[in-house]
Amino acid sequence: DTAVSQTPKYLVTQMGNDKSIKCEQNLGHDTMYWYKQDSKKFLKIMFSYNNKELIINETVPNRFSPKSPDKAHLNLHINSLELGDSAVYFCASSQEGQGDEKLFFGSGTQLSVL
Amino acid sequence: EDQVTQSPEALRLQEGESSSLNCSYTVSGLRGLFWYRQDPGKGPEFLFTLYSAGEEKEKERLKATLTKKESFLHITAPKPEDSATYLCAAATPYGQNFVFGPGTRLSVLP
Repeated sequence: DTAVSQTPKYLVTQMGNDKSIKCEQNLGHDTMYWYKQDSKKFLKIMFSYNNKELIINETVPNRFSPKSPDKAHLNLHINSLELGDSAVYFCASSQEGQGDEKLFFGSGTQLSVL
Repeated sequence: EDQVTQSPEALRLQEGESSSLNCSYTVSGLRGLFWYRQDPGKGPEFLFTLYSAGEEKEKERLKATLTKKESFLHITAPKPEDSATYLCAAATPYGQNFVFGPGTRLSVLP
């Protein structure tokens, strides 16, 4: 059973389109995240979200918005895609309060904006 | 600004040739230092968490250590299946934020 799953694995789209990436975790974790991994392989946090608060990295354009229908899902919506949005996007989850906030990652979505 | 750097950027070893990877961090109020392994086309996979200077953790051929400014991942007698990118991440004291380093790409040749 996959702990954190995200779809699609690959997403190729035109500039200006709107797209979504879905993420689900079956670990019962309280907190979910979206990370962006650029061409230089740096992983940078975009959002963290639990049932109490959404924390947004101030550098993330407001074209990106997380949406959480329930505790096990955190989807990423991207409006008006730009060339610079091309990257690999990872969903992750963790459990607060256990003294070990290790992240469990999905397998990534490679977004290519043409 | 919180920052994590890793060296070397890439490392090629012969099977059985031991070595160390370095992770240097500047994070005030570090909550923990994490090591992950990332295989091509996959998400990072958790290896270790270290919380205080002097702490060490081991798993098979890997041992992670922590000082006040850096962490090392020691690889003893590596095998080809240890080939991967190794990422370290520092947990900051605010929010639920982890600052990742750029990784070290390890290749172990048979």
